Amino acid sequence: DAGITQSPRHKVTETGTPVTLRCHQTENHRYMYWYRQDPGHGLRLIHYSYGVKDTDKGEVSDGYSVSRSKTEDFLLTLESATSSQTSVYFCASRDSSSGANVLTFGAGSRLTVL
Amino acid sequence: AQSVTQLGSHVSVSEGALVLLRCNYSSSVPPYLFWYVQYPNQGLQLLLKYTTGATLVKGINGFEAEFKKSETSFHLTKPSAHMSDAAEYFCAVSERDNAGNMLTFGGGTRLMVKP
Repeated sequence: DAGITQSPRHKVTETGTPVTLRCHQTENHRYMYWYRQDPGHGLRLIHYSYGVKDTDKGEVSDGYSVSRSKTEDFLLTLESATSSQTSVYFCASRDSSSGANVLTFGAGSRLTVL
Repeated sequence: AQSVTQLGSHVSVSEGALVLLRCNYSSSVPPYLFWYVQYPNQGLQLLLKYTTGATLVKGINGFEAEFKKSETSFHLTKPSAHMSDAAEYFCAVSERDNAGNMLTFGGGTRLMVKP
């Protein structure tokens, strides 16, 4: 299984401030994903990456941007955090040979926007 | 677009009782199907998956799920619940020809196990 670490694990910030969440994987996986988890909504895809510098939008991308300058790192940025972005954020990864989309997840980053 | 519906956001069973968590999907063609489990303060872990072949799929911790194409369902069962099964369970689907291979998740079902 891939080792995926997310940082920070917990963050409290104020409305209007920028926030960056980091995801780091050690398995050389090609695909990486950012999801947010909210009660009743399950996990919803924010952005994903299919290679270095190759990213695309998911279902709920408004207000978020991502960057992937190295295979192992996938950053999620909230340029100006809002209270509606209070959530738990999960990073996941998969390599291109992993048939049928079995994802490996990080432990999550809990973000509170006051 | 695909969608996944999990009936019942909370399910409570007694220890030793049957566990049944329901999942229905909408897709134009049979997708790949998954069940993930999330224990408190942890990420999601794969329980089992269906890709092709036998429609009854066995997973970890005694769980199994059956793909029923005619009912567009993939319900998760376990004959006898243990206290350690208390967690949140997510059903997910992915299109077979999806280049990005993205998962669409249901809203989750929190399983509570009473002693």
